[in-house]
Amino acid sequence: TQLLEQSPQFLSIQEGENLTVYCNSSSVFSSLQWYRQEPGEGPVLLVTVVTGGEVKKLKRLTFQFGDARKDSSLHITAAQPGDTGLYLCAGVEAAGNKLTFGGGTRVLVKP
Amino acid sequence: DAGITQSPRHKVTETGTPVTLRCHQTENHRYMYWYRQDPGHGLRLIHYSYGVKDTDKGEVSDGYSVSRSKTEDFLLTLESATSSQTSVYFCAISDQLAGPTPNEQFFGPGTRLTVL
Repeated sequence: TQLLEQSPQFLSIQEGENLTVYCNSSSVFSSLQWYRQEPGEGPVLLVTVVTGGEVKKLKRLTFQFGDARKDSSLHITAAQPGDTGLYLCAGVEAAGNKLTFGGGTRVLVKP
Repeated sequence: DAGITQSPRHKVTETGTPVTLRCHQTENHRYMYWYRQDPGHGLRLIHYSYGVKDTDKGEVSDGYSVSRSKTEDFLLTLESATSSQTSVYFCAISDQLAGPTPNEQFFGPGTRLTVL
């Protein structure tokens, strides 16, 4: 089983600050997905990155896939209280149709 | 929203009793998955299905069994529930994930199971 390590586990910041969440593995993934989960709900996909070195932007969120396709990062610029939630990275294994999830990063943005 | 429902949404049961959780989809997706979510562990795959009557184990399959007799339904059974199986269970559906154009995994609302 391939493993994904997310860091930090918890982030508490003030509105307007920037933050970065990291997702690391020793294994290569076919692609990597980022999900956000609100309390009491299931995760919802934010983005999928497929190519090594790829950078995708979603408004104030920037996602990067490492050149070797083993790691990824999520950067939020000028965080807002609406960004509060649990962020999960998930690697798509090349063999099989499964996702391996990281442990999650809980982000709290205080007004 | 993807048409995926889970039942029951909440359940409290006692150690040693059998429990079945149901996942129902209206999207005709080929793949269905059962995960459990515990603090600090993200989502861990229990079992998944790649077609009717085709299932395989995930990383935490011990103590769980599944069945898929129709495309739209995927059942998760705890034959004899234990306190360590207290968790939030999520069902998910998707089409092809691997490859150059990976699809999205859609999640149900979750079932909170407490085993006393």
